[in-house]
Amino acid sequence: AQSVTQPDIHITVSEGASLELRCNYSYGATPYLFWYVQSPGQGLQLLLKYFSGDTLVQGIKGFEAEFKRSQSSFNLRKPSVHWSDAAEYFCAVGAFSWNTGGFKTIFGAGTRLFVKA
Amino acid sequence: EAGVTQFPSHSVIEKGQTVTLRCDPISGHDNLYWYRRVMGKEIKFLLHFVKESKQDESGMPNNRFLAERTGGTYSTLKVQPAELEDSGVYFCASSQGTDGYTFGSGTRLTVV
Repeated sequence: AQSVTQPDIHITVSEGASLELRCNYSYGATPYLFWYVQSPGQGLQLLLKYFSGDTLVQGIKGFEAEFKRSQSSFNLRKPSVHWSDAAEYFCAVGAFSWNTGGFKTIFGAGTRLFVKA
Repeated sequence: EAGVTQFPSHSVIEKGQTVTLRCDPISGHDNLYWYRRVMGKEIKFLLHFVKESKQDESGMPNNRFLAERTGGTYSTLKVQPAELEDSGVYFCASSQGTDGYTFGSGTRLTVV
């Protein structure tokens, strides 16, 4: 069955420290992979996506993620966390349909990031 | 360009009442999706429109939920009658091509 696992429900890091949020997936084919962020009172915003090619992808706000097929992982990283990064982060995997032009996407349960001064 | 707009942002209704949520996708986006997040759990798929047609409604929990997208523009999601377990945040998203979803801010529904 297709699934997305974010093993950490919440993580606390100090401002300026590095961050890695874990994501593992189970998917039958090569998936489209996404990370979204939800700040308080906001909708989900796309941070980055991976479809093919270079397995290290760069996103907005200084985030990057690395696709590791052998580990079925797509972990999100940031070298230096800012207080404004405190939010909830969702990993998602999906399949794109050229018939409909749409996605079928599964989301993880989210990881809430707390940033301490 | 304008993003995906959802309203209301919050709704508190009593069990047994009816609530209608609205989503205005990005203009020109044929694909519109409804998702729901209950009690801090994962975001779960409800249904997918391509223009005005329901492409996939496998995630709709039961027949108390009715989604429409007349004319292929905005969409409504009606819950009638609402039950306590329907409480959660309802997200709408739209997409065009392979860029991924653009989400609205969500509607937080509380059934009391």
